[in-house]
Amino acid sequence: KNEVEQSPQNLTAQEGEFITINCSYSVGISALHWLQQHPGGGIVSLFMLSSGKKKHGRLIATINIQEKHSSLHITASHPRDSAVYICAVREASGTYKYIFGTGTRLKVLA
Amino acid sequence: GAVVSQHPSRVICKSGTSVKIECRSLDFQATTMFWYRQFPKKSLMLMATSNEGSKATYEQGVEKDKFLINHASLTLSTLTVTSAHPEDSSFYICSAREHHRERETQYFGPGTRLLVL
Repeated sequence: KNEVEQSPQNLTAQEGEFITINCSYSVGISALHWLQQHPGGGIVSLFMLSSGKKKHGRLIATINIQEKHSSLHITASHPRDSAVYICAVREASGTYKYIFGTGTRLKVLA
Repeated sequence: GAVVSQHPSRVICKSGTSVKIECRSLDFQATTMFWYRQFPKKSLMLMATSNEGSKATYEQGVEKDKFLINHASLTLSTLTVTSAHPEDSSFYICSAREHHRERETQYFGPGTRLLVL
């Protein structure tokens, strides 16, 4: 079992739908990142969370430290949101190492 | 906000040659940078931790003589893939750690796609 699990692995949605991507982890963490990787590979950091909730435009990220779970929500989804979304957790060991989920491949249809 | 750049973004080379990839923090000093590798449809895997002014710390299974890392300044780390082989073809990503007072943040570079023919 991976230390960072994402669900679903693949997701197809219609434009305008509300989308939720989940991330569960089994290690102690000091922070969690949500990353977006577009076709061709470029990675963009969307959020870094250590508690609570953050919002940026149509994106919302939440984290529940006690439950070791984070969600990434996309409101009013658009075809340009099509990408792979990766959850990465920073271990609490003080080494600043990250463990990555395998990603959720999102496709938003027009 | 802080930005981390990588150069080149894509590189194609012949087998046996060496390839250097640069990772730069553009508006902050990064005492620590990390190098990751991503295989197709797999998650990113940490290769090594690069500390400014000292030797890099490599993860188990990563050949330090194959993947040379130099962190000569607080804004630049380089990864050199020596004597590249087709199996070295991959997507290489760096991240840079900014430590400012009580806050610590990591920023990811956009990645470099290496194709070895």
